[in-house]
Amino acid sequence: AQKITQTQPGMFVQEKEAVTLDCTYDTSDPSYGLFWYKQPSSGEMIFLIYQGSYDQQNATEGRYSLNFQKARKSANLVISASQLGDSAMYFCAMREGRAQGGSEKLVFGKGTKLTVNP
Amino acid sequence: DTGVSQDPRHKITKRGQNVTFRCDPISEHNRLYWYRQTLGQGPEFLTYFQNEAQLEKSRLLSDRFSAERPKGSFSTLEIQRTEQGDSAMYLCASSLGVANEQFFGPGTRLTVL
Repeated sequence: AQKITQTQPGMFVQEKEAVTLDCTYDTSDPSYGLFWYKQPSSGEMIFLIYQGSYDQQNATEGRYSLNFQKARKSANLVISASQLGDSAMYFCAMREGRAQGGSEKLVFGKGTKLTVNP
Repeated sequence: DTGVSQDPRHKITKRGQNVTFRCDPISEHNRLYWYRQTLGQGPEFLTYFQNEAQLEKSRLLSDRFSAERPKGSFSTLEIQRTEQGDSAMYLCASSLGVANEQFFGPGTRLTVL
């Protein structure tokens, strides 16, 4: 079973509007972390935002916020005031519990391609 | 620039040849990861080093693949007898033990003809 599901292969948004990219996850570990990365056409993965499973408040980083709904196991990314430079692939990822000696590898979803229209 | 660097950025090779990629992590980052990304997919974990010790390998890492991190600094990923299915972007990431974020390099795009 997929651990990270991104159901939107592609999304379109008008410049200056807000957009929500969906992410659901599956884990039985009570301690986990959720990440969003941006991947422009150049290929580099750019870290955007992190949410820990025990964090009480939704994470925010500038124009990015994470809508964390633990009971629903969802961690949607909200981008406010979209810019043309936001056009890219966006990946949701999960790191499961920091068990001693664990690799803390990231498990990624398939991504959502965001296109910002002028 | 003190980010993660990878070399080469692009590699085209013929089936059956061996290739080697290099990753230089951010200085003092003790954890180093290799991921592979095929078209239309998210990155998939290949292997992980803590300092010079290779502590975890994915089932994706067949015996044609070998990775090293000899002095706990840079790492190399070698693919022997390449196959067309090895064509992918190979991404390296590093992190400091207690940090949440993994910093990714620009990747090496491999094309096997």
